[in-house]
Amino acid sequence: QKEVEQDPGPLSVPEGAIVSLNCTYSNSAFQYFMWYRQYSRKGPELLMYTYSSGNKEDGRFTAQVDKSSKYISLFIRDSQPSDSATYLCAMSVDSGGQNFVFGPGTRLSVLP
Amino acid sequence: DTEVTQTPKHLVMGMTNKKSLKCEQHMGHRAMYWYKQKAKKPPELMFVYSYEKLSINESVPSRFSPECPNSSLLNLHLHALQPEDSALYLCASSQDLNSVTVYNEQFFGPGTRLTVL
Repeated sequence: QKEVEQDPGPLSVPEGAIVSLNCTYSNSAFQYFMWYRQYSRKGPELLMYTYSSGNKEDGRFTAQVDKSSKYISLFIRDSQPSDSATYLCAMSVDSGGQNFVFGPGTRLSVLP
Repeated sequence: DTEVTQTPKHLVMGMTNKKSLKCEQHMGHRAMYWYKQKAKKPPELMFVYSYEKLSINESVPSRFSPECPNSSLLNLHLHALQPEDSALYLCASSQDLNSVTVYNEQFFGPGTRLTVL
């Protein structure tokens, strides 16, 4: 079993749809949970991070962490064509950067 | 300035060539990283530098040689690469590795797309 698993996609949705992206993990020591967005031929950029369990909202994006189920989600409301990218979840045990584990990524296409 | 720059954007090299990838940041970050990303795969950590000292080498072959000449610069020297080393090489930086009070966001550069013939 991989340490972090992610719905592989690709996922295509119409503009304005609500998108749900999900990751599961096996290491109960993970405490920091991140979502990165990566446009084609670009480096990843951090969208949101959450420490421990709970929800976090930023504009059209909501991140949820359920540590009891080892499951995290990213919701995108009112999706736009500019949201078309690969979304990577990442997790770490501590706040340092040397123990990041990335999920394999989900490619999202939002169709106008 | 919240930007990590990488040069060159593209590089094509033969298996006998020696080349270098460069990365620069001016955010005052003291941790810098090299990642390798194959197509449709997540980034894989290669090296971590903390305060210009190599902190982590993730069992990377010696044909990849990192160098951190100062706190703003990170190089990756390439020699005798194989075609399977073709990938997007990403540099990232963060404030430091060991803060316990604040999350250390990693800022990624746009990457160098390397093709080994």
